[in-house]
Amino acid sequence: GAGVSQSPSNKVTEKGKDVELRCDPISGHTALYWYRQSLGQGLEFLIYFQGNSAPDKSGLPSDRFSAERTGGSVSTLTIQRTQQEDSAVYLCASSFPLAGAGEQYFGPGTRLTVT
Amino acid sequence: KQEVTQIPAALSVPEGENLVLNCSFTDSAIYNLQWFRQDPGKGLTSLLLIQSSQREQTSGRLNASLDKSSGRSTLYIAASQPGDSATYLCAAPHSGGGADGLTFGKGTHLIIQP
Repeated sequence: GAGVSQSPSNKVTEKGKDVELRCDPISGHTALYWYRQSLGQGLEFLIYFQGNSAPDKSGLPSDRFSAERTGGSVSTLTIQRTQQEDSAVYLCASSFPLAGAGEQYFGPGTRLTVT
Repeated sequence: KQEVTQIPAALSVPEGENLVLNCSFTDSAIYNLQWFRQDPGKGLTSLLLIQSSQREQTSGRLNASLDKSSGRSTLYIAASQPGDSATYLCAAPHSGGGADGLTFGKGTHLIIQP
């Protein structure tokens, strides 16, 4: 079946603007994760959704970052008032914790450039 | 807080050699550990997932081992090929859980010389 998809693949925005990044997980996967990968910081966990439980937001770097997951499927990561340090590749992953021992499958990422 | 360290940071070997990539983690109360491959400009491809009850997991020329008590995992690549050139990442759940955000090492950048 289809893997994790993300859109857009690239996004260039001006400092101070808001951006929305989208993730479509693998069908049937109940868990969804957002990470970001930047040159200076490597791969960092941002937020995790599991079913209808409250999300684990422990990795969000500031209150400018938020995420939603509607209907237990598609997720949107929103960055408000973007800063240059937000430039990174944002990766989404999904898993089915009750089977496959929670193996995470990643999408191709969205490359965000803040000018 | 989970911390993951990978050694070496970079490795360049001739084609055909067997090699070992090392990963260590600080919180041994993990449910699983996952190895990934990343090609330049691409996303992550899952290679192997080892559950805490397992000591080894194999896929083709790849073999991953897990020693929870010592906080170590190794990825063994047999008979390396130029197509194996990539960055290899080790990741462990950041709070020890089974369905949990992952903490990643900084990776081993591997080059296989033809």
